[in-house]
Amino acid sequence: EVQLVESGGGLVKPGGSLRLSCAASGFNFPKAWMSWVRQAPGKGLEWVGRIKNKADDGTTDYAAPVKGRFSISRDDAKNTIYLQLNSLKTEDTAVYYCTMGAGLSDYWGQGTLVTVSS
Amino acid sequence: DIVMTQSPDSLSVSLGERTTINCKSSQSVFYSSKNKSYLAWYQQKPGQPPKMLIYWASTRKSGVPDRFSGSGSGTDFTLTISSLQAEDVAVYYCQHYYGTPFFGPGTKVDIK
Repeated sequence: EVQLVESGGGLVKPGGSLRLSCAASGFNFPKAWMSWVRQAPGKGLEWVGRIKNKADDGTTDYAAPVKGRFSISRDDAKNTIYLQLNSLKTEDTAVYYCTMGAGLSDYWGQGTLVTVSS
Repeated sequence: DIVMTQSPDSLSVSLGERTTINCKSSQSVFYSSKNKSYLAWYQQKPGQPPKMLIYWASTRKSGVPDRFSGSGSGTDFTLTISSLQAEDVAVYYCQHYYGTPFFGPGTKVDIK
């Protein structure tokens, strides 16, 4: 059974940083492309970014609103991906979901809430 | 970027009735190299993460009830629920997933 478990969310001040983790199980993680999607309170879904598997060069892509501030990495030995959030803004407040897939999100975690507030 | 729009924003439907949700992309999401439209539909129930229902515009994910169907190509797509059940109360999102993925704003479905 595919499982994705996010952690690391919390309250952070504007301009601050946070690192989210997503622990994966139930599938061949090193072969998977993985993505992050976020959802502001009461709002719709927004794709944040993705990381390819290492065989496909392991590179990352980001949505325009987060490019240059967020970065995604992976540790295949730990079956985990990370989302580093820097220079946070109040509009980054959202539930952050880890998903399996490059853009088409086949499986989703339960999400972790990031609140950016002074 | 390809932007997605959906209509209606919300709808109330009687149990057992047919439900249709429309999705439009600002450019075609059909790619001839794959001969497919890069369009998916997701269902999000209150307090839960989204769940993928349909991909390639019309392919139902394994385990999804056959009352859900997707159609369309190019820039215009439709999600149809043939006979609405109580458990279908949710927000439905379309998404294109070629290049930079983009979700539609969602359509909220509830029971009349």
